[in-house]
Amino acid sequence: SQQGEEDPQALSIQEGENATMNCSYKTSINNLQWYRQNSGRGLVHLILIRSNEREKHSGRLRVTLDTSKKSSSLLITASRAADTASYFCATVHLIDSLGGGADGLTFGKGTHLIIQP
Amino acid sequence: DAGITQSPRHKVTETGTPVTLRCHQTENHRYMYWYRQDPGHGLRLIHYSYGVKDTDKGEVSDGYSVSRSKTEDFLLTLESATSSQTSVYFCAITTGGWDEQYFGPGTRLTVT
Repeated sequence: SQQGEEDPQALSIQEGENATMNCSYKTSINNLQWYRQNSGRGLVHLILIRSNEREKHSGRLRVTLDTSKKSSSLLITASRAADTASYFCATVHLIDSLGGGADGLTFGKGTHLIIQP
Repeated sequence: DAGITQSPRHKVTETGTPVTLRCHQTENHRYMYWYRQDPGHGLRLIHYSYGVKDTDKGEVSDGYSVSRSKTEDFLLTLESATSSQTSVYFCAITTGGWDEQYFGPGTRLTVT
């Protein structure tokens, strides 16, 4: 399976602390994306990082990508109670060298983050 | 939810009955996807579409069929529902096959 694997499966921290989640994958990617899902809701896209990028920022979010280790990390700084959610990494894998054809994302099983007030 | 609606939002049906879930978008995006989400499995791709009447299978397509006769609508059909198809179903859209996807609110389906 090309499915990414998030680590840890669950994380509980105090409000104001930083939260770090990791994602590992198995085969070469076109890009890697992070999503958030609040309980009972659909997924919301957070950040997309391409295979030729190493780091991206968006507000309190920082994503890194290490293609040599086939891994990514999501850092949420100064966490808030509203950040409580499940976080998923998703990868787009290359179909062929031309990169042709549509392909769905391959999702990991997620990290459940709880921010304690 | 980026102009995506799903209907119904909740459905309970009996084993062996046909079920159709609808995904409707107002964004005129070319690509549409159907996923199912189950505890311990994350999201898994069922089918996707890259244009009107252009569809392809995903990772878990057995027991499901899809149709797309208009850009805005993508239908998922369970020809004969089974208990293993009890799940939450999400539709997603994207402008390009590789880009960020926008998800609908989901349909919770229970097959008894």
